[in-house]
Amino acid sequence: QVQLVESGGDVVQPGRSLRLSCAASGFSFSSYVIHWVRQAPGKGLEWVAVIWNDGSNKYYADSVKGRFTISRDNSKSTLYLEMNSLRVEDTAVYYCARENIGTAPGIDYWGQGTLVTVSS
Amino acid sequence: DVVMTQSPLSLPVTLGQPASISCRSSQSLVASDGSTYLSWFQQRPGHSPRRLIYKLSYRDSGVPDRFSGSGSGTDFTLKISRVEAEDVGIYYCMQGSHWPPWTFGQGTKVEI
Repeated sequence: QVQLVESGGDVVQPGRSLRLSCAASGFSFSSYVIHWVRQAPGKGLEWVAVIWNDGSNKYYADSVKGRFTISRDNSKSTLYLEMNSLRVEDTAVYYCARENIGTAPGIDYWGQGTLVTVSS
Repeated sequence: DVVMTQSPLSLPVTLGQPASISCRSSQSLVASDGSTYLSWFQQRPGHSPRRLIYKLSYRDSGVPDRFSGSGSGTDFTLKISRVEAEDVGIYYCMQGSHWPPWTFGQGTKVEI
């Protein structure tokens, strides 16, 4: 079955960096577009970034552009999010989510999330 | 950017009764291929979001048929024909027709 497992969340000080990972299994990872979506405590869902299946295209939310970098290693079926210059407002649960481009298009499967807390 | 606006933000429901959530977009969600990429997600307390509806009205596998999606252009609705206790949670609409960015509604909290 489709599985997405995030890791790397931690408590960090403002201005520091953190790298999140998302390990995928149960599907052909290299064929799918993957997103990062975050959810601040008690708040709604906010799209963060997306990467094409072959890494050829990447897009970012304005709130993270220039600070976050999305990447993937298809040989390891793993997605990454490099987060630099972290701010208090980046505190959130970060989910990776698969984009289905086939017969049921759109973001379909989500991981369980990993919590990033930015605090001094 | 496409702004998604849900109403109400809080929805008290009665078991066995119908419920309805509205979602409006700031521009038409008809994409260049003619499809409407509007999805609905359910997030139960302490869980990740789960997709219920994709492309406006298509139910995902395993989703009970009491859930239905409808609408067109800029106005969309998620209906629950008869609310069950397991339907408690927060519901989000999301558009994938005009990107980037992909955008979500604020969420509607459904409680008994």
